[in-house]
Amino acid sequence: SQKIEQNSEALNIQEGKTATLTCNYTNYSPAYLQWYRQDPGRGPVFLLLIRENEKEKRKERLKVTFDTTLKQSLFHITASQPADSATYLCALLYSSASKIIFGSGTRLSIRP
Amino acid sequence: GAVVSQHPSRVICKSGTSVKIECRSLDFQATTMFWYRQFPKQSLMLMATSNEGSKATYEQGVEKDKFLINHASLTLSTLTVTSAHPEDSSFYICSARGLAGGEPDTQYFGPGTRLTVL
Repeated sequence: SQKIEQNSEALNIQEGKTATLTCNYTNYSPAYLQWYRQDPGRGPVFLLLIRENEKEKRKERLKVTFDTTLKQSLFHITASQPADSATYLCALLYSSASKIIFGSGTRLSIRP
Repeated sequence: GAVVSQHPSRVICKSGTSVKIECRSLDFQATTMFWYRQFPKQSLMLMATSNEGSKATYEQGVEKDKFLINHASLTLSTLTVTSAHPEDSSFYICSARGLAGGEPDTQYFGPGTRLTVL
């Protein structure tokens, strides 16, 4: 069965630095890979989607890469701020109509 | 963006009672709604997928008679936890997906419902 690994359970970095989160998967490459943000006691909020034929996608301070050879996605937050502290979830989608498979998440803490 | 609401946000009940959780898409029509459960420090686990007007499809290991799902309209789905027990205590989150287009429609998540069964 498909496995998704978000390598770091927790990541602490200094404000202003770039945070890089990793998502690895096994087996088949998904058609779409998504990143969500989840705050404690709240539902996930969609951030970015990248397709298997795209290598990179950007949105403001966020950047996502997708390497189907390595079976890996990297999620970057540049100029990180304490308000970026949250859990970030990687999610795979195999077709536009399929269900999402979530990773376990990385808890990011940005210290002032 | 699209908004999904859930009610109640928190519920505490006695063992053996039933609890109903509502999920509404406020500004779009949700052809498909999903129900997830999340335990502390774990990821979201899909429980079931429901399409408006048809029976829900449950994931393996999820008891359909215990977790009753009704998707009566394009804006409302309900999850009823029947005869709840302490092990059903969890964070339940719904999400809704709109009409399909060329892109995968984003799933919009509700704020979640914290269920505590005493």
